[in-house]
Amino acid sequence: EVQLVESGGGLVTPGGSLGLSCAASGLTLSHAWMSWVRQAPGKGLEWVARISTKTNGGTTDYAAPVKGRFTISRDESKNMLFLQMNSLKTEDTAVYYCTKYDSGSFHYWGQGTLVTVSS
Amino acid sequence: QSALTQPPSASGSPGQSITISCTGTSSDIGGYDFVSWYQQHPGKAPKLMISEVTKRPSGVPDRFSGSKSGNTASLTVSGLQAEDEANYYCSSYAGNKILFGGGTKLTVL
Repeated sequence: EVQLVESGGGLVTPGGSLGLSCAASGLTLSHAWMSWVRQAPGKGLEWVARISTKTNGGTTDYAAPVKGRFTISRDESKNMLFLQMNSLKTEDTAVYYCTKYDSGSFHYWGQGTLVTVSS
Repeated sequence: QSALTQPPSASGSPGQSITISCTGTSSDIGGYDFVSWYQQHPGKAPKLMISEVTKRPSGVPDRFSGSKSGNTASLTVSGLQAEDEANYYCSSYAGNKILFGGGTKLTVL
């Protein structure tokens, strides 16, 4: 059974940085395309970032609002996925979900971790 | 404003069928057979209901079905049940990005 568990959310001031982690079990992250999806309070879903498998070069893609500020990465030895968020803005406030991505779909989701950007 | 357009709400009585639409462009829905649908109950993580336009993951009831015509995708829920009341989101691959619809709140009357 695939399980994804996010951590690292919290309160941060505008302009600050925060790193999210996602611990995976039941799948090997180096063999999986992974993605982060976020949901602002009371709003819809928004794709944030994606990383390909190791054999596909580990290439990354980002949504326009976060490009240049966020970095998706993974640690194969720990089987963990990360999202480093810099220069945070109030509009980045959301629940961030770690997901397993495959053929255009997000097949497995973690429970989410809340990031609040506020002064 | 979301990249894909969904009606904000839909409703039906138990046992009835409803269809939720999701409209995009030739650069997303119309260009790829990578449309997905997600169900989200309040306070819960989304759940994949339909992938690649028509595929149902294991465990999803066959009351849920997907289709696509041109730039518009649709999710049909047949034999509505009380537990189907939730928010539903469509998504589509669009090259090097993935787009979501704004969501449709389905109410079972």
